[in-house]
Amino acid sequence: AQKVTQAQTEISVVEKEDVTLDCVYETRDTTYYLFWYKQPPSGELVFLIRRNSFDEQNEISGRYSWNFQKSTSSFNFTITASQVVDSAVYFCALSEFTNAGKSTFGDGTTLTVKP
Amino acid sequence: DTEVTQTPKHLVMGMTNKKSLKCEQHMGHRAMYWYKQKAKKPPELMFVYSYEKLSINESVPSRFSPECPNSSLLNLHLHALQPEDSALYLCASSQDRGDSPLHFGNGTRLTVT
Repeated sequence: AQKVTQAQTEISVVEKEDVTLDCVYETRDTTYYLFWYKQPPSGELVFLIRRNSFDEQNEISGRYSWNFQKSTSSFNFTITASQVVDSAVYFCALSEFTNAGKSTFGDGTTLTVKP
Repeated sequence: DTEVTQTPKHLVMGMTNKKSLKCEQHMGHRAMYWYKQKAKKPPELMFVYSYEKLSINESVPSRFSPECPNSSLLNLHLHALQPEDSALYLCASSQDRGDSPLHFGNGTRLTVT
């Protein structure tokens, strides 16, 4: 069975601080896909990034970066120089190759960035 | 702008009412989903349609009835709901592959009185 754990329920930082959101996953599949989604107060879930299990290359997109480590089953998300607009709930999700259509979401981390 | 459109944005209904939630996407996606989300919780999968056929029903009570009239449209018919069914209902679409991310609509905030 697949499982995603986001141990940090809530994080509060001051603007311009760096913050890392943790995600640990469990799966028996050798082929799987990891995602991060952002849900601002308006409610819409927005896709941020996808990683395939066979691609451990880390990725940077502007102030966002992602660190995928199969050895520790982690897919962590770092926001550099956080801004108030980054305040949202962030969900990590896992989709297995053999179970396409059934993404498993973590419980989410609520990030509050204070001015 | 979201590419998955849901209507209505808000809905208040009594327990004896019948109502429908609507979802539309024009991204050519062949998989469409209904999720239910309670406050401070992750989305919970309800139904998946793949190529207009129901492929996954996560043991959802029959008072929720999905319908996929064509590849762009997805409906959720509601009847005899309970107050505990009050939640944010999210529609999503994707390519019919495990590596395809979900594209969500803005959701319908449903209140059952």
